[in-house]
Amino acid sequence: AQTVTQSQPEMSVQEAETVTLSCTYDTSESDYYLFWYKQPPSRQMILVIRQEAYKQQNATENRFSVNFQKAAKSFSLKISDSQLGDAAMYFCAYRSANFGNEKLTFGTGTRLTIIP
Amino acid sequence: GAVVSQHPSRVICKSGTSVKIECRSLDFQATTMFWYRQFPKQSLMLMATSNEGSKATYEQGVEKDKFLINHASLTLSTLTVTSAHPEDSSFYICSAKRTVVNTEAFFGQGTRLTVV
Repeated sequence: AQTVTQSQPEMSVQEAETVTLSCTYDTSESDYYLFWYKQPPSRQMILVIRQEAYKQQNATENRFSVNFQKAAKSFSLKISDSQLGDAAMYFCAYRSANFGNEKLTFGTGTRLTIIP
Repeated sequence: GAVVSQHPSRVICKSGTSVKIECRSLDFQATTMFWYRQFPKQSLMLMATSNEGSKATYEQGVEKDKFLINHASLTLSTLTVTSAHPEDSSFYICSAKRTVVNTEAFFGQGTRLTVV
């Protein structure tokens, strides 16, 4: 079974600074997807960024980028120019690429606080 | 992006009664829907995977007779919590996935269930 580990329960960053959230995972599969989701106080899950395991290039979405290290099974999220609206719980998630097994396995989350 | 609507957003029910939560994909067809449970300050735990026209697949430890899932159409899945008890109080979130292989799932806004 796959597992996802987020070792930072809480992180804080000054507004406009950069912060990196860590995530490691364990799997025996070679093809899979990794995600970072944001859950603000409204509790709506919002997809931040997605990475396909077969792609070597790290995904980027505006101020959000990942450092995907497949061999190390590491998938960190970097948020640049942090904004007050980035304050939320961030969950790392794993999904198999096998059709019929597309459930998400989530990490325990990191609560990000933005300091004005 | 695709819209998933979950209803109700909040519900309070008495112990021993049943409550139904609906998850609708508003602008796409969803062959597969997922039901998660989230306790306060914890991660999302998958309860079951719901496939249109077939029986749901429950995760280990989830009582299928207590958490009834029906996915009767390509746009609607329901979760019924039967004979609810206070320990069933939680935040329930659904997600829906398009029929196309390897696309991401979209989340509903969640339902806060309180059993008194």
